[in-house]
Amino acid sequence: DIQMTQSPSTLSASVGDRVTITCRASQNINNWLAWYQQKPGKAPKFLIQKASNLENGVPSRFSGSGSGTEFTLTISSLQPEDFATYYCQQYERYPWTFGQGTKVEIK
Amino acid sequence: EVQLVQSGAEAKKPGESLKISCKASGYSSTIYWIAWVRQMPGKGLEWMGIIYPADSETRYAPAFQGRVTISADKSITTAYLQWSSLEASDTATYYCARRGANNFYFDYWGQGTKVTVSS
Repeated sequence: DIQMTQSPSTLSASVGDRVTITCRASQNINNWLAWYQQKPGKAPKFLIQKASNLENGVPSRFSGSGSGTEFTLTISSLQPEDFATYYCQQYERYPWTFGQGTKVEIK
Repeated sequence: EVQLVQSGAEAKKPGESLKISCKASGYSSTIYWIAWVRQMPGKGLEWMGIIYPADSETRYAPAFQGRVTISADKSITTAYLQWSSLEASDTATYYCARRGANNFYFDYWGQGTKVTVSS
């Protein structure tokens, strides 16, 4: 299985901060990577596909980059509604796997 | 509007069987797959398996093969996840999610079904 490792596990930040989350794959997944946001008690919400393509309706302060084995999700100016847990997911090959999650909390 | 509506929370005892559902609407179910994803309490997301409702082609993650059964009834655009004998370790929230025919990410998710297994 392809292992996905996110860092950090927890990130403390303030409104207006620029935030970067890293996701590393145990082998080359090209750019077959998605990002999701999950708030407590809610289902995940799809944000980005193919490493950098923003889903319709997702604010432009979110961006994704990377290829191969290293990827990043950046929030350019953190808003109150962005405090949540973020997951990356590879879909290069079965079984599809998720990172362990990065919780973005209020500093 | 695309919607995936899941069945309600369940409280079961070890050894009991269970079947939960995910009703899809607002799109053509013949070109999309439905996946199931587990989230144990306080933990991350785990992909369990996926089904193509149009012909019931199914794939399972190795960790879940033989432990659960995924099925679908295309006439009512509903997918199912079932257990024949629950264990306490099956306690989790289970999400269904839509995957496109040519896109392997999950763009719409159900609201989740919380399953509690306790004696």
